[in-house]
This record gives sequence, structure tokens and C-alpha cells, in this order.
Amino acid sequence: DAMVIQNPRYQVTQFGKPVTLSCSQTLNHNVMYWYQQKSSQAPKLLFHYYDKDFNNEADTPDNFQSRRPNTSFCFLDIRSPGLGDAAMYLCATSARLAGLYNEQFFGPGTRLTVL
Amino acid sequence: AQTVTQSQPEMSVQEAETVTLSCTYDTSESYYYLFWYKQPPSRQMILVIRQEAYKQQNATENRFSVNFQKAAKSFSLKISDSQLGDAAMYFCAYRSGHNTDKLIFGTGTRLQVFP
Repeated sequence: DAMVIQNPRYQVTQFGKPVTLSCSQTLNHNVMYWYQQKSSQAPKLLFHYYDKDFNNEADTPDNFQSRRPNTSFCFLDIRSPGLGDAAMYLCATSARLAGLYNEQFFGPGTRLTVL
Repeated sequence: AQTVTQSQPEMSVQEAETVTLSCTYDTSESYYYLFWYKQPPSRQMILVIRQEAYKQQNATENRFSVNFQKAAKSFSLKISDSQLGDAAMYFCAYRSGHNTDKLIFGTGTRLQVFP
């Protein structure tokens, strides 16, 4: 089945230690998104890639970066995680065709704990 | 800026009964989309139903239907014949119709289904 896969599902890191979260997709979608979802809060868009074009949300901290080496993979890098970065990180994909924006498909998320 | 409000942090329903989840939003735009997403425990978020603002007819997907009141900026989700598998977090989301991928989510409603 075509899907969005996130690894690992649970990640524990230490305060200030860089961490990378991974997302892959078999849907061949041209847009990939990263959301941050803190406990009991709404998912918040951090950034997205449209093909190779990176689009950062204005309020995304500089501590968060992303890489998309190819269509299938996208990474979220947190350079110096703080306690406030503990959250569920959701990856999503969609197919943008001729200016039409289609449904976003979500992965199961990676729960990040910062010690 | 657009906002989405879900005023019911938790709801419960008996199996086979009907439940309605509330959502209100604020926007000055006339062209937009509204969504309900379901996020089961430890599983990925999936799209339940979608409404285009320019369509007056309420969207329906099997047991799921919406009551879209554009003037009141209200978008409630009705689940009929509730099943145990409907237990999940439900998020209402807004997307502008003008050249954006960005979903703006509400804080969610946790639905419990009792046998």
C-alpha cells in the first residue's frame, strides 16, 4: 500500500544534542510537510517542500531545518533541542498539480522526548 | 489571520448513537476549504470529510456528514450510528482557497465511544 512512513516512531534525545527525524513516502507526491503537534494542541505547520523548493513558515524557529534529498525522503533536523521542542512531529504529503492543492496524507508521527 | 476553534475538548457517545462535534472558524476570505481529520491513538491522521466553501450542499461520507453554516462560520461534524472504531481525536481544519497548502487546525475534540 502506498503510504507515508516515519522513523523512528519514538525518539529520545538529550537537551542540546542534534536529532534528525525521517519521513519517506511511496505516493510519489511532490509536496512534503512537517508539522509540530504539542500535547493537547493543534498541529502547527513548520515548513514544506514543493519539489525542491523549501517554504518556511514565518514563525518556525531557526533551530528547525529540513532536507529533501529526493522525492521520496524528507528529514527534519533539530540543531539544539530544548525541552520545549518535545512534541509529536507529523510528516504529510500531497500532490500539487497545475495549481490544484489536493488532500494531505499523514504519517503516524514521531514522538520526540527531550531529556 | 484565520483561526479555527473547537470548543469541546472531549465528547462521548454510546455505540450506535449519533454525536455532533462543533467547529467554528474566523476568516475574511470567501474562497476556502474546511476539513475534518480523524487521528486514532498511535495511528496516522486521516481525512474524514471535506467541504468547499462555495458549495452550499453539505458534504456527506457514509456515516459522516457536516452542517456547514457559512454565514455563522460554523462547520460541525455529525457521526451517525457510532462505532467503537470511531474513537479518536478529531481535528477541524481550514485551508485558504488562494494558492496555499497551509492547513490551520483547531485544538481537537477527543471522542470516546462506549459499548
